[in-house]
Amino acid sequence: LAKTTQPISMDSYEGQEVNITCSHNNIATNDYITWYQQFPSQGPRFIIQGYKTKVTNEVASLFIPADRKSSTLSLPRVSLSDTAVYYCLVVFSSGSARQLTFGSGTQLTVLP
Amino acid sequence: ETGVTQSPTHLIKTRGQQVTLRCSSQSGHNTVSWYQQALGQGPQFIFQYYREEENGRGNFPPRFSGLQFPNYSSELNVNALELDDSALYLCASSPAVSSYEQYFGPGTRLTVT
Repeated sequence: LAKTTQPISMDSYEGQEVNITCSHNNIATNDYITWYQQFPSQGPRFIIQGYKTKVTNEVASLFIPADRKSSTLSLPRVSLSDTAVYYCLVVFSSGSARQLTFGSGTQLTVLP
Repeated sequence: ETGVTQSPTHLIKTRGQQVTLRCSSQSGHNTVSWYQQALGQGPQFIFQYYREEENGRGNFPPRFSGLQFPNYSSELNVNALELDDSALYLCASSPAVSSYEQYFGPGTRLTVT
């Protein structure tokens, strides 16, 4: 059964590092794992994507273990403006059928 | 560079009617995906189009159908609307079918009464 699991919510203080994990069994072996940020009344915004090990860009890092059954988004030194819902996006495939699947989302609240 | 645009912004329809939603992809992007997002939930994948062909589909009934045009713009058609179809419909484009670096439009809010 194609399923992703994320914590429903997390609180953090400004300046702290935040790690959000998404569990995803049996994802397609040849597709990226991607993370998005969504503010109310807006479409999701791309943060980062990776295939394996560690990827870093100017706003986040993504850690993916060798078995690819989970991924962890790391946000360094969060600020109030990082308060948003964060989603992982993975691909489940069955034969030639591909399903892009968003996680249930994690509401991150950054406190002053 | 123009981002992803969607029309209309809001729409109210009656149960049983049909609706067409439109999406213009970002310049240079050949892949378009459509998602349904109910209030308080994550986006649910409807389908993806790559070079005018359907390239993947989520668990949505056949009354959800789509098209992609030679300029890579796209339409989502929903027939026989049901109350549960009320949601935000998001379109996203990406520069390659192998990339999930998608750029989302602002969405179309559909209300079915």
